[in-house]
Amino acid sequence: QKEVEQNSGPLSVPEGAIASLNCTYSDRGSQSFFWYRQYSGKSPELIMFIYSNGDKEDGRFTAQLNKASQYVSLLIRDSQPSDSATYLCASPGGYQKVTFGTGTKLQVIP
Amino acid sequence: DTGVSQNPRHKITKRGQNVTFRCDPISEHNRLYWYRQTLGQGPEFLTYFQNEAQLEKSRLLSDRFSAERPKGSFSTLEIQRTEQGDSAMYLCASSPGPNEKLFFGSGTQLSVL
Repeated sequence: QKEVEQNSGPLSVPEGAIASLNCTYSDRGSQSFFWYRQYSGKSPELIMFIYSNGDKEDGRFTAQLNKASQYVSLLIRDSQPSDSATYLCASPGGYQKVTFGTGTKLQVIP
Repeated sequence: DTGVSQNPRHKITKRGQNVTFRCDPISEHNRLYWYRQTLGQGPEFLTYFQNEAQLEKSRLLSDRFSAERPKGSFSTLEIQRTEQGDSAMYLCASSPGPNEKLFFGSGTQLSVL
């Protein structure tokens, strides 16, 4: 079992809709979770991080963490074509090495 | 602060040759990570350092791969006797410490012919 798992997609949503991206993890020792966005041919860039159960909002982005169910999600409100990218979920896990999921490719249709 | 710097940006080599990549992290960051990424996949963990100490190396990594971080500053990743399967983007990232976000360099794209 991979430490961090994501649906590879692609996930297609119309412009202005809410995009919902999900991630599950296996290490119950994981304390923090990160969402990175990666445009084609570019390096990952951090867009959200969350440490505590519940929701964390930043502009159009909301990260949700449920430690009991071992899942993390990212909601993107009012999706724009510029949001089209691959979204990577990552966590240091209990051993502190940061591992990534395979990423979910998001396509926002104008 | 110029961010994480990686050199070279691109490397083309013939099978069997050795290659070395360099990463200069953000100066105050004591953690440094190396990842490998192929098309359609997430970054695959290779190894990481806390200052000059290599804390873990992926079990998937053969003995042809070695990394160093002398004096806890820049790091090098060497691949000996390259194979076509080594073709990938090699990413370096640094962070201030555990549980902190990673800052990535632009990566080195390796093509083994």
